Amino acid sequence: DAKTTQPPSMDCAEGRAANLPCNHSTISGNEYVYWYRQIHSQGPQYIIHGLKNNETNEMASLIITEDRKSSTLILPHATLRDTAVYYCIPRGAGTALIFGKGTTLSVSS
Amino acid sequence: DVKVTQSSRYLVKRTGEKVFLECVQDMDHENMFWYRQDPGLGLRLIYFSYDVKMKEKGDIPEGYSVSREKKERFSLILESASTNQTSMYLCASSFLSLGRGGSVSPLHFGNGTRLTVT
Repeated sequence: DAKTTQPPSMDCAEGRAANLPCNHSTISGNEYVYWYRQIHSQGPQYIIHGLKNNETNEMASLIITEDRKSSTLILPHATLRDTAVYYCIPRGAGTALIFGKGTTLSVSS
Repeated sequence: DVKVTQSSRYLVKRTGEKVFLECVQDMDHENMFWYRQDPGLGLRLIYFSYDVKMKEKGDIPEGYSVSREKKERFSLILESASTNQTSMYLCASSFLSLGRGGSVSPLHFGNGTRLTVT
């Protein structure tokens, strides 16, 4: 399983873009990069995933570097409800998600 | 929307009791998972199942067993609860391996059962 490095915490002002980085330099060719978040007292929530190309959905955008060794999750207009722990997780087919410690994002007004 | 329902939000049990944690999903998912979450340790995989009556050990299966008699239901069993099993337990489900576009299907989580063993 690929190891990941995320900053333990980040701050963001409400309405601004939040850019959460993740290093996954040992990712293998068949592993996708998944992002989840966990708001206090709730189960983890799926956000987005990608393999090589950048991805966008209604929640966020995912930028993956060409060498696939790192990625950035972008929340374009952060709100107070985006305050959560964000997890970056490489995962291949048929394997379980392995959670690391994630990044605690604090959005303030 | 996918719904993963865990039968209890809070549970208090005594040391030595047999404890059943139930999880039901309504999306016909093949895969189901049990995690526990503890401060400073993050989420750790206990067991998972990729089909009815099939199970695989995760990273920390000791002291636990599971049952998957029906596709929609995955039970976690603590045969003899101990205080070190006090934790938040999270159930999740997903389609098997390949989803749309050939990618791996995302996991959907329930809101957890906070178990206290006294």
